[in-house]
Amino acid sequence: DAKTTQPNSMESNEEEPVHLPCNHSTISGTDYIHWYRQLPSQGPEYVIHGLTSNVNNRMASLAIAEDRKSSTLILHRATLRDAAVYYCILRTSGTYKYIFGTGTRLKVLA
Amino acid sequence: DSGVTQTPKHLITATGQRVTLRCSPRSGDLSVYWYQQSLDQGLQFLIQYYNGEERAKGNILERFSAQQFPDLHSELNLSSLELGDSALYFCASSAPEAGWGTEAFFGQGTRLTVV
Repeated sequence: DAKTTQPNSMESNEEEPVHLPCNHSTISGTDYIHWYRQLPSQGPEYVIHGLTSNVNNRMASLAIAEDRKSSTLILHRATLRDAAVYYCILRTSGTYKYIFGTGTRLKVLA
Repeated sequence: DSGVTQTPKHLITATGQRVTLRCSPRSGDLSVYWYQQSLDQGLQFLIQYYNGEERAKGNILERFSAQQFPDLHSELNLSSLELGDSALYFCASSAPEAGWGTEAFFGQGTRLTVV
C-alpha cells in the first residue's frame, strides 16, 4: 500500500489560511489523493480528493504537485470548527481500501 | 449527518464475551467498510464488503468476522473479547464503484469497552 507522510501537528490563527502538506513519493499513476478530517468524538469526514489537477470545493482546495509526489490541502480561512485531525490518503487502484496514516492535528487559535 | 447509522453507540462488556456491531449504510451505497480506532493504533482498516461479498481484508483478527446482508446492512462480530479490543469501531459506506475517486461516508462509531 502506498503511504503518506504528514506533520504530526500544526497551528493556525483563526481567519488565516492554512496549508497542510502531505508527501506521497511512492504514489502510482492511478492513485487518487483523498483528504478526510476527523473532528473530536466524530467519524472521519470527507474533505476533498483529486488525481492530477488542483481541485476546489466549498470546504477547501487541493494543490497537487506536478510530479504528484506531494499535495497540499488549503483551508482558505480557518475557523475554530476546523480544529481536527486531517488525514491524507491514497486510494490505491486495484484495491478497495482507504488506508489512514497518523494525520495532522490542526489547532486553530482564536 | 453522514447517512450511515451505527448501533449501539456504546457497549460495555466483559472479557471473553461476544458482541455484534451493526451498520446501516447510506441509501444506495453498496460498499461497507469497517475500521477500528484505538488510542495507540489510529484508524485501522478491518474489512470491506461490496454488495454482500467480501472485497478487501485488512488487519482483522481471526476472532473478528463480518458480513453484509441482502438489505446491505452489515454486522461486525467480535468474539473472545480481550481488554485490547476496547476501541472505537467505525463503519463507512460508499457508492457503487465509479472510479477510485469515490468518497466514503463514516458513521459516528460504536465505542466498545471491554472490562
